[in-house]
Amino acid sequence: RKEVEQDPGPFNVPEGATVAFNCTYSNSASQSFFWYRQDCRKEPKLLMSVYSSGNEDGRFTAQLNRASQYISLLIRDSKLSDSATYLCVVSKNDMRFGAGTRLTVKP
Amino acid sequence: NAGVTQTPKFQVLKTGQSMTLQCAQDMNHNSMYWYRQDPGMGLRLIYYSASEGTTDKGEVPNGYNVSRLNKREFSLRLESAAPSQTSVYFCASSEAKGQEVYNEQFFGPGTRLTVL
Repeated sequence: RKEVEQDPGPFNVPEGATVAFNCTYSNSASQSFFWYRQDCRKEPKLLMSVYSSGNEDGRFTAQLNRASQYISLLIRDSKLSDSATYLCVVSKNDMRFGAGTRLTVKP
Repeated sequence: NAGVTQTPKFQVLKTGQSMTLQCAQDMNHNSMYWYRQDPGMGLRLIYYSASEGTTDKGEVPNGYNVSRLNKREFSLRLESAAPSQTSVYFCASSEAKGQEVYNEQFFGPGTRLTVL
């Protein structure tokens, strides 16, 4: 079993849609959680950290459920520019990356 | 600031050849990392360096060596390339010290390596 699992997608949604991604992790001792964004053939970039109480950054909302060991990312009012692969990242002593969920937002 | 830079961007090797991937950062970060990214696998840590002069193995270190030349530079060497090392290699840096990984990692643009 992979340490960090994500639905690979692809998710194809129209502009303005709301889309949610989930990620599960196996190490219950994990302490830090992140969502990274990776555009096609580019490097990953931090989208947002995920805090225990949940956090929001504009159209993006991240939630953490430690009891069930999953993390979620909600994107509201999707834009064409949101098309990318979203990587779930979990860390204890090092960072473990999920394989990513691909999102395509269409006009 | 250039952030994290990597050279080369692309490389094709024959099995058994050696090469060194270069990485440099100008953010004065203590920690630097080398990852490989394969389809369906996510990024996997090869080696990391928590500070100048120290290096440690990550999840997939076999077939690789690293050198933390100074605070800015961290190189990855393939002594005898194998087709299984065909991948995209990313270097990253962060302000984290030692085992702390709570801070954002900044990635270089990647090196696409093909081993025939």
